[in-house]
Amino acid sequence: AQSVSQHNHHVILSEAASLELGCNYSYGGTVNLFWYVQYPGQHLQLLLKYFSGDPLVKGIKGFEAEFIKSKFSFNLRKPSVQWSDTAEYFCAVNAEGYQKVTFGTGTKLQVIP
Amino acid sequence: NAGVTQTPKFRVLKTGQSMTLLCAQDMNHEYMYWYRQDPGMGLRLIHYSVGEGTTAKGEVPDGYNVSRLKKQNFLLGLESAAPSQTSVYFCASSIGASPLHFGNGTRLTVT
Repeated sequence: AQSVSQHNHHVILSEAASLELGCNYSYGGTVNLFWYVQYPGQHLQLLLKYFSGDPLVKGIKGFEAEFIKSKFSFNLRKPSVQWSDTAEYFCAVNAEGYQKVTFGTGTKLQVIP
Repeated sequence: NAGVTQTPKFRVLKTGQSMTLLCAQDMNHEYMYWYRQDPGMGLRLIHYSVGEGTTAKGEVPDGYNVSRLKKQNFLLGLESAAPSQTSVYFCASSIGASPLHFGNGTRLTVT
């Protein structure tokens, strides 16, 4: 069965600081990986996705993530956060052959002006 | 193009009451999902459907039923609501493994 772990539950950063949110998944086969963002009071929106190819994936709003197969990781990064990045971030995995998408428990990011 | 539409947006139920949440998508997606979101627990899959007339259980199916009589609609039913079902419910749809498209959510409170 597929599962996802997000290590940081709550992260507080000052504007312009760099961000890295951890995500590890457990599944031995081929996976599709996603990061979603949920702004306060809104639904989840896709930030970026990895299906295959270049393990460094660029998404919207300056976010990127790196798939490291040997570490079963898909960490999210942004070089310089803004106050508007305050939101909850969810990592998700869909293992090949599975019809379900499994989400991590989320990381709340608070950016202080 | 409305995407994924959930109704209602808010609802308050008393313990033991029943209700149905409606999810409608206009993107011709085969897959539809119902998740619940609770603080500190992320999104947990309740039920899902991979096509019209098919449904399957997710991680937390107890106390819920679903139906997918039409491709564009996916209904989530609570036969006898319990306080533990107080949550925010999200519907989503997708084409196979492609990213999920989410509705705006239904905030349900059971007293």
